[in-house]
Amino acid sequence: AQKVTQAQTEISVVEKEDVTLDCVYETRDTTYYLFWYKQPPSGELVFLIRRNSFDEQNEISGRYSWNFQKSTSSFNFTITASQVVDSAVYFCALRAVGRGSTLGRLYFGRGTQLTVWP
Amino acid sequence: SQTIHQWPATLVQPVGSPLSLECTVEGTSNPNLYWYRQAAGRGLQLLFYSVGIGQISSEVPQNLSASRPQDRQFILSSKKLLLSDSGFYLCAHGRGSTDTQYFGPGTRLTVL
Repeated sequence: AQKVTQAQTEISVVEKEDVTLDCVYETRDTTYYLFWYKQPPSGELVFLIRRNSFDEQNEISGRYSWNFQKSTSSFNFTITASQVVDSAVYFCALRAVGRGSTLGRLYFGRGTQLTVWP
Repeated sequence: SQTIHQWPATLVQPVGSPLSLECTVEGTSNPNLYWYRQAAGRGLQLLFYSVGIGQISSEVPQNLSASRPQDRQFILSSKKLLLSDSGFYLCAHGRGSTDTQYFGPGTRLTVL
């Protein structure tokens, strides 16, 4: 079974603070992909990053960074020097590629509402 | 570049009325297409997916149906809406089982 847990329902920070959004996943497949999406108030899901299960290299993109650790089944997302525009709901998602997995199906966590105050 | 459109953007419908939501994709061919619903509480639920024209797979039994009359068109329908059908409907496209899914702007449906 595939499962994604985002234990933090809501996080509030003040602008310029660093914030980490946690994501823990479960899968029995050895090949899988992990994603982060951002959902601003407009509602559209915006793709942020994709990692495959064979690449544990951490990634940095501007103020965003991702820490993938297979040993703890975690794929955490850190925003450095947060800004008001970062306020959104952030979703972590998993796609397994094993036999029996629905083609391309994404398993989403329930999301973390991030509010950045000025 | 690929673009995905959804309409209408918002819809208010009475219980028992029919529904038709449309999703179209530009800039790609033979995409995999997906319908998701996001109900209150933010969880995203996969409703239908399609790997080609006329090929529809359902993930959750309900009073909704989907059709794919053209390669880049995906339609979500219902003959009689229920109150529980209210939510935010998102269409997504991808290529193959390993590609990233990109989402449309969504349709906010309120059933009264």
